[in-house]
Amino acid sequence: DTEVTQTPKHLVMGMTNKKSLKCEQHMGHRAMYWYKQKAKKPPELMFVYSYEKLSINESVPSRFSPECPNSSLLNLHLHALQPEDSALYLCASSQGSVGLYNEQFFGPGTRLTVL
Amino acid sequence: AQRVTQPEKLLSVFKGAPVELKCNYSYSGSPELFWYVQYSRQRLQLLLRHISRESIKGFTADLNKGETSFHLKKPFAQEEDSAMYYCAQSKLTFGKGITLSVRP
Repeated sequence: DTEVTQTPKHLVMGMTNKKSLKCEQHMGHRAMYWYKQKAKKPPELMFVYSYEKLSINESVPSRFSPECPNSSLLNLHLHALQPEDSALYLCASSQGSVGLYNEQFFGPGTRLTVL
Repeated sequence: AQRVTQPEKLLSVFKGAPVELKCNYSYSGSPELFWYVQYSRQRLQLLLRHISRESIKGFTADLNKGETSFHLKKPFAQEEDSAMYYCAQSKLTFGKGITLSVRP
């Protein structure tokens, strides 16, 4: 299996809801990432997990809470989001940790709409 | 701060024309640079990384430390090259991207 999968593909939620985005890879990669991508903009890094530990948090608001239960799974818990948080959320993984010459493999993304 | 700059938003060429997508970086050490591509309705994927010095789908990119550039080039564009191209560097910062449109 050489793909990163993300569920759900689409998510619509209200500002008071709690939801979670899921990401999974079975390539044995030890680094996993969350990005936020607005329309016609580049991906913006949110979080990096290296060997299941949070290594980078790009000053993301606490209404976004990442979790890495094991080396294959990455979750992003959402609570009390704002409409401006609507975007495509991308997950990626790479063989090694940040700073090495490691190709990132991206998932297809979850299209999030906050009403 | 380390930055990657893609000065153009759009490049439109005819099939068979040469293509150069510009990327400049600001980093005083040894940069780790990549080109990613996103075809319509497909996921973002790696096209090239500077360390491997390879040619993928006819594209090449050479690191020029003197000019701090990592431009992506292809001598003869094909319609299937139409996509969004992002230059990125090791600290996981992407440039703003450029849309390449290859017309028949």
